[in-house]
Amino acid sequence: EMQLVESGGGLVQPGGSLRLSCGASGFTFTSYWMHWVRQAPGKGLEWVSHVSFDETVTRYADFVKGRFTISRDNAKNTVYLQLTSLRVEDTAVYFCARGGSTSPYGLGVWGQGTTVIVSS
Amino acid sequence: EIVLTQSPGTLSLSPGERATLSCRASQSVPGNYIGWYQQKPGQSPRLLISGASIRATGIPDRFSGSGSGTDFTLTISRLEPEDFALYHCQQYGSSPYTFGQGTHLEIK
Repeated sequence: EMQLVESGGGLVQPGGSLRLSCGASGFTFTSYWMHWVRQAPGKGLEWVSHVSFDETVTRYADFVKGRFTISRDNAKNTVYLQLTSLRVEDTAVYFCARGGSTSPYGLGVWGQGTTVIVSS
Repeated sequence: EIVLTQSPGTLSLSPGERATLSCRASQSVPGNYIGWYQQKPGQSPRLLISGASIRATGIPDRFSGSGSGTDFTLTISRLEPEDFALYHCQQYGSSPYTFGQGTHLEIK
């Protein structure tokens, strides 16, 4: 069974940092681009970032503005999202998702999400 | 950045009826790389359609996608009770990849 499991969310003060992790199983992790998507309470989905299977390409949403960093460890089948300079508006459930392999594809596998709350 | 606008915001229909959901892009989507997702309360999204018209594995054939360029449509031919949910479109042809604001499909 293909599975993604996120962890690392929590309550953090504005300006603080968190590192989210997403462990993958049930598929060949090294063959896929990996994404982070977030959803603020009661809102729609918002794409955050993605990383290529070999980590040579990383891209971010405009609102990230250098505050977040995506990375992956293929030996551990894990993708990370380092969040820094957090703002109240970053409060959301953060999902990791599997993208395409050799060609673009939709996000076909999703984790259950990890909740980040930014509040003083 | 490609902005996606979904309409309507809320669609009220009865089981057995046909649902037509729209996703319009602010500029042409490269490769027609549009995905459609279904999300139920408290759950993660599920991919329904990729590449504008390709059903994902295990998705019933009552779900179909169409369109090209800037106008895309998700059609549910005959609504089942389990189809009432939130639907999102996403473009992944041009970074930053973006989502629409969602269409809430509710029981009439």
